[in-house]
Parts: sequence; structure tokens; C-alpha cells
Amino acid sequence: GESVGLHLPTLSVQEGDNSIINCAYSNSASDYFIWYKQESGKGPQFIIDIRSNMDKRQGQRVTVLLNKTVKHLSLQIAATQPGDSAVYFCAERTLIQGAQKLVFGQGTRLTINP
Amino acid sequence: EPEVTQTPSHQVTQMGQEVILRCVPISNHLYFYWYRQILGQKVEFLVSFYNNEISEKSEIFDDQFSVERPDGSNFTLKIRSTKLEDSAMYFCASSPHSYNEQFFGPGTRLTVL
Repeated sequence: GESVGLHLPTLSVQEGDNSIINCAYSNSASDYFIWYKQESGKGPQFIIDIRSNMDKRQGQRVTVLLNKTVKHLSLQIAATQPGDSAVYFCAERTLIQGAQKLVFGQGTRLTINP
Repeated sequence: EPEVTQTPSHQVTQMGQEVILRCVPISNHLYFYWYRQILGQKVEFLVSFYNNEISEKSEIFDDQFSVERPDGSNFTLKIRSTKLEDSAMYFCASSPHSYNEQFFGPGTRLTVL
């Protein structure tokens, strides 16, 4: 069935440290994954995506890793800043009749301590 | 930078009343979506809409829900007879094509009393 979940609901790191947020998914047929950031009172904001034919993708200070063998996804944020404090969701995308549908995980709240 | 907008930011209604949540997607986008997020929970897909038709809907999107694109700019979600459990943040999203990133609006907080 459809299920995308996260290992940890909260994570606190010191400013400047690196953080890793994890996600497990259950639909082995999924071929596209996205990480979203949600700040308080705002909608989800796209961070980075990865297709299932890739193991790793890097952006600015962020890296997403995909392990299809164990159906695990992670988001690494380097040199964390106070503005990184937010809830992070992984999402699995499916295409139904040409339209995409996102299945979100539970979310991890990342807190950056000064 | 173009963005998705939603109104109102907060809607309070009595159980059994009808509500209409409004969204203005990004102007050149063709695909439109509604999601909801109950407080403290994950974002849940409700419906996708393309070419004036529903493409996909979840089990949450029962016959109390409807969507409409009444003109060239607005995209609305109507709940005919609200229930307490409809209280949530409702997010509208749009994308230029089916395979592109979805851009989310800031959400409407619906409170059903």
C-alpha cells in the first residue's frame, strides 16, 4: 500500500553542524521522491528531488540519498543555519492518468540551536 | 517571483455550514491540487484537477467536497456540510505540467465549531 514515513519526529542540532533527516517508504514501485520544508504558518516548500535511477543528488547545502534496497531516503543539510529550523517532509510521487499525486511522510521537526 | 495565493487565511464556521476555500494558482500552470493537513499530522492529498476535470481524488474527498475553476484564475474547494473533523489547514498547489514540481500556497486554516 501507500506509506511514506519518517524514523524520528524531532531532531535538534547545533548551528553550523550537519543534520540528517531520514525517511522510509513502502511502495517499491515509486520512482520519484521529493523533500519539502515547511515553516510555521506556511505551505510546503520544495527543497530537492531525486529519481529512483539515482542514488544521490546534491543541491546547495543539501544532499538527498536514496537506498532502494532498503527503501530509505535521507536529507542531509550541511552547515545548518537558524533558518533551517522547520518541519521536513519526504514525499513520494505517483502519476495517475497524467496527473501527479504526492504521498507525504509524517514529518521531522528540525530545531537549530544557537 | 510568482506564487500561489489562498484566501482566506483563516476561516471559522459552524458545523453543517458550507465553506468555499479559494486559491489563485500560478498563472501559466495547468495542474491544480488540494491537500489538507490536520494539526500536527502529515499533509494528505485530496484531489488533482486538470483540463476542468478531476484527475485523481483520495478517499477523503467524498461527495461533501467539490472543486471548481470558475474562471481563468481561481481554483476553489467547496465543503458542502462541514464536520468537526474537517478542521485542518488546506493547501492549494499548482504545477506547469504533470511531471513538474508542485508549488504550494500558504494555506487556509479551517476551524469547524
